[in-house]
Amino acid sequence: DTGVSQDPRHKITKRGQNVTFRCDPISEHNRLYWYRQTLGQGPEFLTYFQNEAQLEKSRLLSDRFSAERPKGSFSTLEIQRTEQGDSAMYLCASSLAGGMDGYTFGSGTRLTVV
Amino acid sequence: AQSVSQHNHHVILSEAASLELGCNYSYGGTVNLFWYVQYPGQHLQLLLKYFSEDPLVKGIKGFEAEFIKSKFSFNLRKPSVQWSDTAEYFCAVILNTGGFKTIFGAGTRLFVKA
Repeated sequence: DTGVSQDPRHKITKRGQNVTFRCDPISEHNRLYWYRQTLGQGPEFLTYFQNEAQLEKSRLLSDRFSAERPKGSFSTLEIQRTEQGDSAMYLCASSLAGGMDGYTFGSGTRLTVV
Repeated sequence: AQSVSQHNHHVILSEAASLELGCNYSYGGTVNLFWYVQYPGQHLQLLLKYFSEDPLVKGIKGFEAEFIKSKFSFNLRKPSVQWSDTAEYFCAVILNTGGFKTIFGAGTRLFVKA
């Protein structure tokens, strides 16, 4: 297992288009997290899953955002009707239950909305 | 609201200088504390973690951090920095409120002059 993989690494899209990102966590990890990071800020929590169950969503996650983890393995994050304010680095991380040993992060997907 | 504050956004040091990066959190309950590092062009990595044993925690690459409960602080230290320590450092906390998600500070960019 080579760690957490995210695809694509970069995405440029026009305002109003829909985009979908994929995250493949470490296979033994049952928790998967999505964060968003903008310039000069730390990662902001969006949502997390334990196995296939989505346990918490941030108020940052408007109804244009949806995340799934259908079989408790990979996850997708979809943004509908993208806005310029959605431009950010979207980070995925995984951990064993509770995350007390820390998270393993992927390299992120950089979204630019033009 | 619970938060994590990092006092210095940018730090510039010469090699062999001592480093201390401040971190404070605002939460009165039990916490688990972390420092993550992001080297240029790389993903976020765990540097060290504190649970509930010795308040002085030793991590990788000669870094250490001290948890002072009365001050709600978890400062990162290194006695002698190297050029290769140039990176962005993030303090993070897991709040044991049932959700166990990690909240990150805004980060401190460290530049070490050779």
